[in-house]
Amino acid sequence: ETGVTQSPTHLIKTRGQQVTLRCSSQSGHNTVSWYQQALGQGPQFIFQYYREEENGRGNFPPRFSGLQFPNYSSELNVNALELDDSALYLCASSLGQSSYEQYFGPGTRLTVT
Amino acid sequence: KQEVTQIPAALSVPEGENLVLNCSFTDSAIYNLQWFRQDPGKGLTSLLLIQSSQREQTSGRLNASLDKSSGRSTLYIAASQPGDSATYLCAVSGNAGNMLTFGGGTRLMVKP
Repeated sequence: ETGVTQSPTHLIKTRGQQVTLRCSSQSGHNTVSWYQQALGQGPQFIFQYYREEENGRGNFPPRFSGLQFPNYSSELNVNALELDDSALYLCASSLGQSSYEQYFGPGTRLTVT
Repeated sequence: KQEVTQIPAALSVPEGENLVLNCSFTDSAIYNLQWFRQDPGKGLTSLLLIQSSQREQTSGRLNASLDKSSGRSTLYIAASQPGDSATYLCAVSGNAGNMLTFGGGTRLMVKP
């Protein structure tokens, strides 16, 4: 049990729709990262937020966006969903940047039809 | 660009066997390396974190080593049990912001 929660657990959307995924970090963790994990692959870094500002982005288009709130919660928003967006979305929180251990939530399984 | 490779991709062993999972990375300028366990359809459970200044970490039957200069890490599992069956992922953090770059994982099956 990492103390990181995500909602919803599963989600089915249609191509072209928009989706919001939510994450609640451990109390005191000021850094949250989001990852996309396609079936059978390792997770891919989407972006990271540190003290409510984006602090790094992987190779994902602008239709992937995020927010981090002062209460240690955060959101991942995806616009104009595509079939390839079907994946497990993981959030991870940590005490800070650089060498801190990251704690992962259980993930949200998104299916785009 | 950092690339992480895990070998083998899949492994099946009888219960009680000691085993080694391998992880290699192309850029030795890392902050730390983490080993994770992932059960099917679930999130990641952190097993061991090795800082770049460390050579190994141990937790119970697990031992992870890090050779930063050669870009290699190994996860040693002693006396494997069926409950160890899962996918094992290694990930390195190599820049400000603590972005993790993952390998593709090793799917481990321990047969009773």
